[in-house]
Amino acid sequence: QVHLVESGGGVVQPGGSLRLSCAASGFTSSTYGMHWVRQAPGKGPEWVAFIRHDGNTKYYADSVKGRFIISRDSSKNTFYLEVNSLRTDDTALYYCTKGKNIDDFTLVYWGPGTLVTVSS
Amino acid sequence: DIQMTQSPSSLSASVGDRVTITCRASQSISNFLNWFQQTPGKAPNLLIYDASSLQSGVPSRFSGSGSGTDFTLTISSLQPEDFATYYCQQSDSLPLTFGGGTKVE
Repeated sequence: QVHLVESGGGVVQPGGSLRLSCAASGFTSSTYGMHWVRQAPGKGPEWVAFIRHDGNTKYYADSVKGRFIISRDSSKNTFYLEVNSLRTDDTALYYCTKGKNIDDFTLVYWGPGTLVTVSS
Repeated sequence: DIQMTQSPSSLSASVGDRVTITCRASQSISNFLNWFQQTPGKAPNLLIYDASSLQSGVPSRFSGSGSGTDFTLTISSLQPEDFATYYCQQSDSLPLTFGGGTKVE
């Protein structure tokens, strides 16, 4: 059974950084891609980043390109989203999410999310 | 980027009502369209994938239709647990994009 749990969120000042983690179970991280999606308070979901199953091919939303880095540690079955140069509009609940198939764009499995608050 | 436009943004309905939500894509996405339900404090929950396929475990009162640019989510008989916000999402290409949401009150 697929299970995803995010952690690493918190309160950070503008310009600061955090490393978000997504601990995965029920599947082998090296055989599936993973997305990060965020949701600002009272807003709809926004796709942020995707790492393919190969671990090397990565995609980012324009709003975070150059500031966020997605990665994976297969030995720990964990995915990461390093969020840098944070702005107030990055405040959101950050979810990791994946599909049923190898590099699926249909988001079936979601974690409960980890909250990032950017505030001075 | 593919823009997804949902309507209405909110609607008022009663238990037993038939509810229809529409989603329009800014360009053709074939049938790469998914519908999610979200309740406060929870992650989105996939209801319909590939425009019309019912996700495992989802009640049959939910159905989806459409292809190309115009899509519809229908709840045949609204139940108390269906009062929530619904989002469409295109899975045709990156960046994945979501509609603005429809709150069913």
